[in-house]
Amino acid sequence: GENVEQHPSTLSVQEGDSAVIKCTYSDSASNYFPWYKQELGKGPQLIIDIRSNVGEKKDQRIAVTLNKTAKHFSLHITETQPEDSAVYFCAATSARQLTFGSGTQLTVLP
Amino acid sequence: SAVISQKPSRDICQRGTSLTIQCQVDSQVTMMFWYRQQPGQSLTLIATANQGSEATYESGFVIDKFPISRPNLTFSTLTVSNMSPEDSSIYLCSDMTYNEQFFGPGTRLTVL
Repeated sequence: GENVEQHPSTLSVQEGDSAVIKCTYSDSASNYFPWYKQELGKGPQLIIDIRSNVGEKKDQRIAVTLNKTAKHFSLHITETQPEDSAVYFCAATSARQLTFGSGTQLTVLP
Repeated sequence: SAVISQKPSRDICQRGTSLTIQCQVDSQVTMMFWYRQQPGQSLTLIATANQGSEATYESGFVIDKFPISRPNLTFSTLTVSNMSPEDSSIYLCSDMTYNEQFFGPGTRLTVL
C-alpha cells in the first residue's frame, strides 16, 4: 500500500517568514495530494490540493508543488501569520483511499 | 463542500461500555469514511461506510469492535464497543465529493 512520509515534525518560524513542509510518497499510481490544517479541538480542514497532471498550484499565501518523478510534494506558506499555527497533514490518494503523513506542528512566533 | 456534523462532540465513558457516534452530512454523498486519530498522532482509516451494505474495514479493525451503519446517503453511525482506555481517541467522520475529502469536527472520546 501507499506510504507517506512527512518532514519536519515540528517547525517554528517568525511571523512574516516562509514555512515549507515536505512529503514523499511510495505509490506511483497516487494521483491526488491534499493538504489539511488541523487546529486544536477541530477536524482537519482541506486547505489546498494538487493533482498529478499539475506541477504547482497557488492560492494566495499557500502553494503546493509536486514532483512526480521524485515522488515528493511540498507545502509553502509565505508571509506567515500567528493564525497559521496548527498541525498540517499531507496525504496521497491511491485507489480512492487517502494515506496521511504523520503531521507537522507549525508554530508562528509573533 | 458538504457540511458534516458529529454527535456527541466529546464523551467520557467507562471501560466495558459502548458509545455510538452519529455523523450527518447536509447533502447526499457517495462515500463516507470513519477515521481514528489517537492523541498526537495522524489519522488512520477505520472503515468505509457503504450505503445499504456492510462497511469495508481496514486491517486491524473489525466489525464486532466498530460496527458501522449507513442507512442512507447523508447519515452514518460508528459504535465503539466494549471500550478500553486504548480506545481513547478522536473519531472523525469524512465524506468524499468529486475526489475531495472533507472531515467533520470529530468526537473526542475518553475511556476511564
